[in-house]
Amino acid sequence: QVQLVESGGGLVKPGGSLTLSCAASGFSGFSFSDFYMSWMRQVPGKGLEWVAYLSGSGGTKYHADSVKGRFTISRDNAKNSLSLYMNSLRPEDTAVYYCARFRFTHGMDVWGLGTTVTVSS
Amino acid sequence: EIVMTQSPVTLSVSPGERATLSCRASQSVSTSLAWYQQKPGQAPRLLIYDASTRAAGIPARFGGSGSGTEFTLSISSLQSEDFAVYYCQQYNNWPPWTFGQGTRVEIK
Repeated sequence: QVQLVESGGGLVKPGGSLTLSCAASGFSGFSFSDFYMSWMRQVPGKGLEWVAYLSGSGGTKYHADSVKGRFTISRDNAKNSLSLYMNSLRPEDTAVYYCARFRFTHGMDVWGLGTTVTVSS
Repeated sequence: EIVMTQSPVTLSVSPGERATLSCRASQSVSTSLAWYQQKPGQAPRLLIYDASTRAAGIPARFGGSGSGTEFTLSISSLQSEDFAVYYCQQYNNWPPWTFGQGTRVEIK
């Protein structure tokens, strides 16, 4: 079964940058390029917020207004990997970041375990 | 942007009792509505998609209903492992994909 594992979280100062990665595995018979992918985040104790989306080919991407111009989603289908480059980080970006597979018929059907980003001086 | 509103914020239920959670969309999302369960320290898990279809491995005590703007998640007989936070999400009109604020189901 499909598994997603995030990495790259950590402590960063306001204004700094960080790149998150999401490694996909367990999808024999398919290729990673068949997967539409998203990043979500969750401030501790709060709800879920969609952050970014990327189509399987990488040709269509969307970012939430709260991160537009600061975050960039990308993928490397040869490496079965999704990334989120985060720049000009703010304290309000502090959250657990999840990658998930999006299916048009199912919503976000597979989630990673999450990686924690803390923006603090 | 479609706003999703869940009620109640917290639901206190005794084990073995039925729980009913509501989700309302600010405009029609047809049946493109998913429910997720999240336990402390864990990632969300897909329970229901297409408003009423259980995801693989989800017990039959979980049921979803509704279409358009009004949706319900029912848990027929609460087990200890069902105490968690539940989120609804619409995936009909995007971006953005939007979630409700969550309903916490706690032990009464």
